[in-house]
Amino acid sequence: DTGVSQNPRHKITKRGQNVTFRCDPISEHNRLYWYRQTLGQGPEFLTYFQNEAQLEKSRLLSDRFSAERPKGSFSTLEIQRTEQGDSAMYLCASSLVPTTSGNTIYFGEGSWLTVV
Amino acid sequence: GQNIDQPTEMTATEGAIVQINCTYQTSGFNGLFWYQQHAGEAPTFLSYNVLDGLEEKGRFSSFLSRSKGYSYLLLKELQMKDSASYLCAVSDISGGYNKLIFGAGTRLAVHP
Repeated sequence: DTGVSQNPRHKITKRGQNVTFRCDPISEHNRLYWYRQTLGQGPEFLTYFQNEAQLEKSRLLSDRFSAERPKGSFSTLEIQRTEQGDSAMYLCASSLVPTTSGNTIYFGEGSWLTVV
Repeated sequence: GQNIDQPTEMTATEGAIVQINCTYQTSGFNGLFWYQQHAGEAPTFLSYNVLDGLEEKGRFSSFLSRSKGYSYLLLKELQMKDSASYLCAVSDISGGYNKLIFGAGTRLAVHP
């Protein structure tokens, strides 16, 4: 297994455009997370799935953000009508339930978004 | 709510020992993780504590005191490659679901 895979790794888009990121978790990991990270800050929780069910969505997440995990495997994160404040690294992570040292959360390499 | 505090920056000398502290407040504590993150890369897992005490793993050790809401990461025999951000993260089960909440990270600079 090659770990958590994200694409695209980098995306530059004009303000107002829609963007979509894809995440392929470690196989057999039933939990998948999306985080956002800006320079000098730690990852900020956005949402997570257990299998195909979206269990929680951060109150910081505006209605322009939507995430899906239709078959309980890969996930997509879509940002509609992008704004400059959306520029960040979007991290995907996966784990087995429950979260213990043996089932820790593994991160992908992130998708960098720049909104110009 | 949750609150995680750690120093913003630290510097240390190659070969020395450094301790990075983390204090936290959370209503649904279910363990504490330390991650290492090099610039532009994803966080990588270092350690996990759920019970009080010290967990040792090679050059890295992590300590937890649940009653004090306190943890530290101890790095021994520092190497230049240890220059990175170190993220303290609390596993929180408030609301019935388990997720990691991260601090802002401590940027460690190791110099010769």
